[in-house]
Amino acid sequence: KNEVEQSPQNLTAQEGEFITINCSYSVGISALHWLQQHPGGGIVSLFMLSSGKKKHGRLIATINIQEKHSSLHITASHPRDSAVYICAVRTGNQFYFGTGTSLTVIP
Amino acid sequence: DVKVTQSSRYLVKRTGEKVFLECVQDMDHENMFWYRQDPGLGLRLIYFSYDVKMKEKGDIPEGYSVSREKKERFSLILESASTNQTSMYLCASSGDRGTYEQYFGPGTRLTVT
Repeated sequence: KNEVEQSPQNLTAQEGEFITINCSYSVGISALHWLQQHPGGGIVSLFMLSSGKKKHGRLIATINIQEKHSSLHITASHPRDSAVYICAVRTGNQFYFGTGTSLTVIP
Repeated sequence: DVKVTQSSRYLVKRTGEKVFLECVQDMDHENMFWYRQDPGLGLRLIYFSYDVKMKEKGDIPEGYSVSREKKERFSLILESASTNQTSMYLCASSGDRGTYEQYFGPGTRLTVT
């Protein structure tokens, strides 16, 4: 059983397209995180959310606590956005992770 | 900036060897974690520690042990490495206050032959 489900698993987009990655979770959480991992690289935190919406540059993250759902949007996608995006939720001291969405943006 | 460092980026060991993976964080974080990451399976928690000398099993502790003698250092030990432990190992830390964000090290890609 997966506490965190992401969709899609893989995504290919043309440069400039608007991209949405979805995350659903089944546990009570104190926070939800969106992480980014480039090939061969470490993991960096993009957002931490406990309610509402956050925006950073071309990235927007939203969360609906009642529906236990979060989305990560990328506007005007660029090849440098190509990476694996991981949704993670925190409950107590533990984190649960989705399996990630592999995004490829083609020039 | 929070920094989480891991002792090696790449490591090759033989079956049966004892393997030590070291992780150090410089933010005085209470919580430290060891994960392994495998294609299609995502990140899986091996062990975590919420204080010095304290440890809790995660989802896949079999074949691993950990040590936390100092707050900044969390070690993962493979007592007798096996080929199915070939994986990417990621260390992370987080605080108990503030943003609760988790900060990751660069990872160690371990190959057991």
